[in-house]
Amino acid sequence: QLQLQESGPGLVKPSETLSLTCTVSGDSISSGGDHWGWIRQAPGKGLQWIGNFFHGGSTVYNPSLGGRVTISADTSKNHFSLQLNSVIAADTAIYYCGRHPPYAPFNYWGQGILVIVSS
Amino acid sequence: DIQMTQSPSSVSASVGDRVTITCRASQDIGSRLGWYQQKPGKAPNLLIYGASSLQSGVPSRFSGSGSGTGFTLTISSLQPEDSATYYCQQINAFPLTFGGGTKVEIK
Repeated sequence: QLQLQESGPGLVKPSETLSLTCTVSGDSISSGGDHWGWIRQAPGKGLQWIGNFFHGGSTVYNPSLGGRVTISADTSKNHFSLQLNSVIAADTAIYYCGRHPPYAPFNYWGQGILVIVSS
Repeated sequence: DIQMTQSPSSVSASVGDRVTITCRASQDIGSRLGWYQQKPGKAPNLLIYGASSLQSGVPSRFSGSGSGTGFTLTISSLQPEDSATYYCQQINAFPLTFGGGTKVEIK
């Protein structure tokens, strides 16, 4: 059974970099054609897609985040990571990682991790 | 970006009622649409993919329909455990986008 688990600091200071890792078990992130992505949800708000990592190392990001996003993968550890630079209070959210087939919705999600941006 | 507009934003209905939620895309997305259910404190759970295909393990009272720019999620007979927020998502083009959500409450 595929499982995803987010980890990282729960508190980040404004202007610093938010760094999270999604550890995957039950499947290899380097096999198949599925996409691995990050989604976030501000408190009491809706869902926002952040970006995806594809097999082969390609990435695609949400332009609304102004080029502050980097997603990378470590296939030896079977995890992929999110970096969001120059964070502000509006980046406070629950961050989820997930997997989805091409042109299909996310069928696996992590449990989510709350990240608060505050000094 | 493809804008996804959900309506209503909230609905209150009785157990056994039929509930319909609408999602409209700002451009043609074919059948590349999914529906999720999210309960407080939990990650979203996939209900429908391909606009009308029921995800494994999801009760048959949930159904989806539509194509192009107009889609619906129907709960044929509302149950207490269906109290949640529902989201649509288009997977036709990047950036992937979600509807604003519909909160379903039990009267």
